[in-house]
Amino acid sequence: GQQLNQSPQSMFIQEGEDVSMNCTSSSIFNTWLWYKQDPGEGPVLLIALYKAGELTSNGRLTAQFGITRKDSFLNISASIPSDVGIYFCAGQGRANFGNEKLTFGTGTRLTIIP
Amino acid sequence: DVKVTQSSRYLVKRTGEKVFLECVQDMDHENMFWYRQDPGLGLRLIYFSYDVKMKEKGDIPEGYSVSREKKERFSLILESASTNQTSMYLCASSLDRVNYGYTFGSGTRLTVV
Repeated sequence: GQQLNQSPQSMFIQEGEDVSMNCTSSSIFNTWLWYKQDPGEGPVLLIALYKAGELTSNGRLTAQFGITRKDSFLNISASIPSDVGIYFCAGQGRANFGNEKLTFGTGTRLTIIP
Repeated sequence: DVKVTQSSRYLVKRTGEKVFLECVQDMDHENMFWYRQDPGLGLRLIYFSYDVKMKEKGDIPEGYSVSREKKERFSLILESASTNQTSMYLCASSLDRVNYGYTFGSGTRLTVV
């Protein structure tokens, strides 16, 4: 099955730094989603993007739906300790039977160095 | 608050055992999914269901089966557990085929010894 290429695989940053991560695909998606997984929990939806070129913010988080529809970016500004976790991108094709399942990226593990 | 509940947070089973992982959602969602999560591999879809008594294979169905007798409950079955099935298992649900967000459970970490 298809998977999305997500990078970087891991990040070690200091509190207060900005964070950038991205996701690329060989296929076009109609929707891009970003999830965060806290240690010991399931992923939780952060941001959903529905239109090519769209830029959406949720507090300190900003995500963009790439113009080519094959990529997406997530930025976190002024990181804080609770940002620690694994971030997953996910893409969804057209809402036709068999295409509406989400395809997930491999994840970016964010660690904040004291 | 809407929830997806997985019956066990941690399980340890022996090789060859039949293992049942249970998932219940209270949101009246039509769609339910089982993923496994392994380091460096992200989330991989095992099976999913769009309706009661309906099931579809995902990307890695080998060694697994599922059951959906009621709308709110979706069970993952390991017919004969093996050590390579040691993993974190995540259940998720969504409202319908055009709903873009999944709600995940907290996961079951299964160790097969």
